[in-house]
Amino acid sequence: AQSVTQLGSHVSVSEGALVLLRCNYSSSVPPYLFWYVQYPNQGLQLLLKYTTGATLVKGINGFEAEFKKSETSFHLTKPSAHMSDAAEYFCAVSASNTGNQFYFGTGTSLTVIP
Amino acid sequence: GAGVSQSPSNKVTEKGKDVELRCDPISGHTALYWYRQRLGQGLEFLIYFQGNSAPDKSGLPSDRFSAERTGESVSTLTIQRTQQEDSAVYLCASSLVPGPGHEQFFGPGTRLTVL
Repeated sequence: AQSVTQLGSHVSVSEGALVLLRCNYSSSVPPYLFWYVQYPNQGLQLLLKYTTGATLVKGINGFEAEFKKSETSFHLTKPSAHMSDAAEYFCAVSASNTGNQFYFGTGTSLTVIP
Repeated sequence: GAGVSQSPSNKVTEKGKDVELRCDPISGHTALYWYRQRLGQGLEFLIYFQGNSAPDKSGLPSDRFSAERTGESVSTLTIQRTQQEDSAVYLCASSLVPGPGHEQFFGPGTRLTVL
């Protein structure tokens, strides 16, 4: 079975500082990995995804994530935080043996301090 | 509309009452998912529809929960005899193409409060 662990339910960074949100997954087969962002009172929006190929994936709003199979990780980074990045971030995994199910982490709330 | 829509946005009900939640997926999206998001927790898969195939109901927590979908359009999630532990945000998502590697587009959710 697949699962996702997001370390740190709350992360605070200063505006302009590096953003690092951690995600570790468990999967017995090659995974598909996703990062979604949820702004207040809105649905989840896809930031980026890894399916196959290049392990460094670039997404919207300057975010990127690197798939590291040896570490079973898919951490999300952004070089310089903006105030508008304050939101809830969810990591998710799916795989060929999960049917149509996606497995989501418990989320990380990002606060950006001016 | 351009995105997934859900109604109502908020629903407050009394314990024991039935509720219906509605989801309008993006036009042309064949796959539709329902999730539950409890406070401080991740998304919990409930049910999946794909075209005219039998739905994947493996995530429904009890027989009080049911869902229907008409063709490739609107879906309703029904919770009978609501309990306080049903309080959560219920999210609907749709996908143009089914399968594990494809993006799901989410609606804004329905916040259900059971008193």
